Amino acid sequence: EPEVTQTPSHQVTQMGQEVILRCVPISNHLYFYWYRQILGQKVEFLVSFYNNEISEKSEIFDDQFSVERPDGSNFTLKIRSTKLEDSAMYFCASSGPPGGVGETQYFGPGTRLLVL
Amino acid sequence: AQSVTQLDSQVPVFEEAPVELRCNYSSSVSVYLFWYVQYPNQGLQLLLKYLSGSTLVKGINGFEAEFNKSQTSFHLRKPSVHISDTAEYFCAVSSTSGTYKYIFGTGTRLKVLA
Repeated sequence: EPEVTQTPSHQVTQMGQEVILRCVPISNHLYFYWYRQILGQKVEFLVSFYNNEISEKSEIFDDQFSVERPDGSNFTLKIRSTKLEDSAMYFCASSGPPGGVGETQYFGPGTRLLVL
Repeated sequence: AQSVTQLDSQVPVFEEAPVELRCNYSSSVSVYLFWYVQYPNQGLQLLLKYLSGSTLVKGINGFEAEFNKSQTSFHLRKPSVHISDTAEYFCAVSSTSGTYKYIFGTGTRLKVLA
């Protein structure tokens, strides 16, 4: 069964450093998402991406965040200058096969980011 | 805008007992509803979803949920739980149009006791 994959599974970085989190969505999906979950808290929407552009973003997704689909398979989240409060589990999700509806999202296993 | 309330942060229950995890939502537009399960140190796995049609939906691992539009609820039930059901359960809602972003509840930690 196709699945969403994410790399790395864990990342430790110093405050102020740039990090890139990578995701490979399910191959025929059209909608892509990033969510984050701060330890012990709920999962929060960051951004959705469709047709090679951001379709919606939350207030969390400020100028230090960016997303990109550099090729036909990868979907990346870049944090330009990490802060301590960026420490969280980051989930990638995808949905919406062609001809279908984008309502059901399939989540990757997550990348646990720790900013020191 | 949508919001989701999961009234119970933790639910302890003995093995083989029934369980209900409560979820209420608020929305000014039509919604899809979902339950996801998160086992320790793992990602989110879809348990079940309500898109349309029958208000009683069945999912994996013996779980089911009932959509109640008048009460804006989507409670999750299982008639007999197992130790392996110990996990965090998240209710989520999305609009039926637009970007389909999910709004999650705060989660309910189900702890099944032997």
